[in-house]
Amino acid sequence: QKEVEQDPGPLSVPEGAIVSLNCTYSNSAFQYFMWYRQYSRKGPELLMYTYSSGNKEDGRFTAQVDKSSKYISLFIRDSQPSDSATYLCAINAGKSTFGDGTTLTVKP
Amino acid sequence: DSGVTQTPKHLITATGQRVTLRCSPRSGDLSVYWYQQSLDQGLQFLIQYYNGEERAKGNILERFSAQQFPDLHSELNMSSLELGDSALYFCASSEHGKGPEAFFGQGTRLTVV
Repeated sequence: QKEVEQDPGPLSVPEGAIVSLNCTYSNSAFQYFMWYRQYSRKGPELLMYTYSSGNKEDGRFTAQVDKSSKYISLFIRDSQPSDSATYLCAINAGKSTFGDGTTLTVKP
Repeated sequence: DSGVTQTPKHLITATGQRVTLRCSPRSGDLSVYWYQQSLDQGLQFLIQYYNGEERAKGNILERFSAQQFPDLHSELNMSSLELGDSALYFCASSEHGKGPEAFFGQGTRLTVV
């Protein structure tokens, strides 16, 4: 079993939709939780990170962590075609472990 | 532009050969991380250096080695290359070596033929 499991997708939504991206993890020692966006042939870009359970909001993006369920989510409101990318969750306990990514396409 | 520079962008080499990938971190960042990204393995952490010292080790093969120099740039040396080593190799940097890897380079695409 992988330490971090990410919903595989791919996901295709119309512009303006709310997108939910999800990961589960197995190691309770994880200290902080990150979401990255990766455009094709580019390096990952850190979107958000958090240390604690609960919600963290940044513009159209909300990261949610539920440590009791070992579940993390990223919500994107009012999705735009420019949000089309692969989204990677990552979890850190001294070193980062990444999910395999979910590819999102937002259609105009 | 993340401020992390990786060279070369593309590299094609034959099996059994040796290559060196280079990474210059953002100005002021003391920590450098190396990652391998392949289609079947996803993004895999290889190794982290902080101010010249190895800080954490991941799934780095014995055929691979890395170092961070006094000017904080880092090199990933890969020897006895195999077809399965073909992948994107990313470098990331952060200021303190704790917290998330905030800035990734554009990667080096290595193709072993």
